[in-house]
Amino acid sequence: AQSVTQLDSHVSVSEGTPVLLRCNYSSSYSPSLFWYVQHPNKGLQLLLKYTSAATLVKGINGFEAEFKKSETSFHLTKPSAHMSDAAEYFCVVSDPGGFKTIFGAGTRLFVKA
Amino acid sequence: DAGVIQSPRHEVTEMGQEVTLRCKPISGHDYLFWYRQTMMRGLELLIYFNNNVPIDDSGMPEDRFSAKMPNASFSTLKIQPSEPRDSAVYFCASNLRGLAGPFNEQFFGPGTRLTVL
Repeated sequence: AQSVTQLDSHVSVSEGTPVLLRCNYSSSYSPSLFWYVQHPNKGLQLLLKYTSAATLVKGINGFEAEFKKSETSFHLTKPSAHMSDAAEYFCVVSDPGGFKTIFGAGTRLFVKA
Repeated sequence: DAGVIQSPRHEVTEMGQEVTLRCKPISGHDYLFWYRQTMMRGLELLIYFNNNVPIDDSGMPEDRFSAKMPNASFSTLKIQPSEPRDSAVYFCASNLRGLAGPFNEQFFGPGTRLTVL
């Protein structure tokens, strides 16, 4: 069985400061992990994905995430927040085939000027 | 490519009415997914198709919900009869699982916001 937990429902940062969105997962096999972003009234867009190639994954818009098997974590980070980063972020785990996807509850990121 | 297209973008209907949501996947994609997003339950996978065939519908909430994919470029999600608790945003997504391997991203449509009064 798989599950994913996003540890914060809301995160607020100031523009130019680092972003950390936390995600823990549970999986009985080697998972595929994704981060998606959803801007208001928009569909979801893939930020990055982990598929066992490298533990540090770089995505679009300066985001990256590190897979830590010992901690069962896949936290999303960005060195410097931009106003346009304000959105909802979803951590996703899928089965090895990539078919059954389970979404976290989401973390809403607020960016203050 | 225009991306995944969903229609309508917004639907307001009365309880008991039939609702049909439509999706056109990205051309060439062989998997299509229907999701529902609510505040209470977040994003839930309802059903997915491979080459127009339903593979897993275990997420479909009840018999009032049905989905079809008559051809590679069109899918519908129907709710009959609709109830207020069906109010949600319904997303369609597609991807290609061919030569690139099993971990391809899903491309999401803009969603249909359904309100059942």
